[in-house]
Amino acid sequence: RKEVEQDPGPFNVPEGATVAFNCTYSNSASQSFFWYRQDCRKEPKLLMSVYSSGNEDGRFTAQLNRASQYISLLIRDSKLSDSATYLCVVNNGTGFQKLVFGTGTRLLVSP
Amino acid sequence: EAQVTQNPRYLITVTGKKLTVTCSQNMNHEYMSWYRQDPGLGLRQIYYSMNVEVTDKGDVPEGYKVSRKEKRNFPLILESPSPNQTSLYFCASSSTANTQYFGPGTRLTVL
Repeated sequence: RKEVEQDPGPFNVPEGATVAFNCTYSNSASQSFFWYRQDCRKEPKLLMSVYSSGNEDGRFTAQLNRASQYISLLIRDSKLSDSATYLCVVNNGTGFQKLVFGTGTRLLVSP
Repeated sequence: EAQVTQNPRYLITVTGKKLTVTCSQNMNHEYMSWYRQDPGLGLRQIYYSMNVEVTDKGDVPEGYKVSRKEKRNFPLILESPSPNQTSLYFCASSSTANTQYFGPGTRLTVL
């Protein structure tokens, strides 16, 4: 079983739609959680951290469920510019800087 | 401008010909790391460094070497490249345990 699992997609949605991605992780000792965004052939960039209480940044909402070991990302009012691959990232707590990346979920927003 | 730079951005080489991919950051970050990204496998850590002269293996270190003689530079060395090292390589740096800033990537093809 992979340490971090994501549905690869692609998720095809129209502009203005709400879309949600889930990610599961296998290490219950994982300390911290993130969503990164990666555009085609570009470097990953931090989108947001994920806190236990859930957190929101504009149209983006991240949730963490430690009991079930999954993380979610909700995007409201999708824009064409949201088209990208979204990487779920977990610090599995076995050492400094031990980030584990999921393979990503691809989102395509169409006009 | 705060950034991580990598060179070269694209490289085609032949099996066994030693090569070095340079990485430099101007943010005075202690931590630097190298990843490779392959389809279906996501980003996997090759080596990381917590500070000058401190390096350690990541998840896929075989066939690679690194050095950290200066804080800003963290070159990746392939002493004898093989076709299975054909990949997209990213260097990253950070000052905290989690948020990483990635370079633009180096696309390497080994024939």
